[in-house]
Amino acid sequence: EAGVAQSPRYKIIEKRQSVAFWCNPISGHATLYWYQQILGQGPKLLIQFQNNGVVDDSQLPKDRFSAERLKGVDSTLKIQPAKLEDSAVYLCASSQGQRNDAQYFGPGTRLTVL
Amino acid sequence: GQSLEQPSEVTAVEGAIVQINCTYQTSGFYGLSWYQQHDGGAPTFLSYNALDGLEETGRFSSFLSRSDSYGYLLLQELQMKDSASYFCAIYTGGFKTIFGAGTRLFVKA
Repeated sequence: EAGVAQSPRYKIIEKRQSVAFWCNPISGHATLYWYQQILGQGPKLLIQFQNNGVVDDSQLPKDRFSAERLKGVDSTLKIQPAKLEDSAVYLCASSQGQRNDAQYFGPGTRLTVL
Repeated sequence: GQSLEQPSEVTAVEGAIVQINCTYQTSGFYGLSWYQQHDGGAPTFLSYNALDGLEETGRFSSFLSRSDSYGYLLLQELQMKDSASYFCAIYTGGFKTIFGAGTRLFVKA
């Protein structure tokens, strides 16, 4: 069974530029999560989708971050414009149901904002 | 509010047993998960407890006491490869997942 795929693996941009990350979850997993992990901290949930509907986006900075999950499969997270404090690893995870019990993570995208 | 507390660092010797504690505060609790993360890697799922008691999976066991808002991860027969960060995560009302800050485990020879 293929795992969660993410791209790109690394991205370096200047502040005020825009960037997009892509995620393809495990086949058949209904729930998809985007997390932000700053070095030395635990992952912070940004947004959670159940199929193609948003379940929770309370910690998503909506003035600059946006995410969509078309057709309930893959998803894109965008930052526009980026700030220095957005430098982090962006992790995508998926789980089979909505119980959030076992989440399977992709390799992440390491974003550096200069 | 919602919060989790776990020790920042734990050091143990190869072959020993180590326990990593996690206490939480939340309204609406459904379960406690544990994840392992090696440096530069992604978190990997270890265990999930929804009910009180001990769950065992090989060398790893996880315990939950809902009345005490407390859980722990027990690692037995420690190996060098177990050196990693371990995160507890709670699944709360509103389908929200909240991760702790992580415990860095150092296994010494």
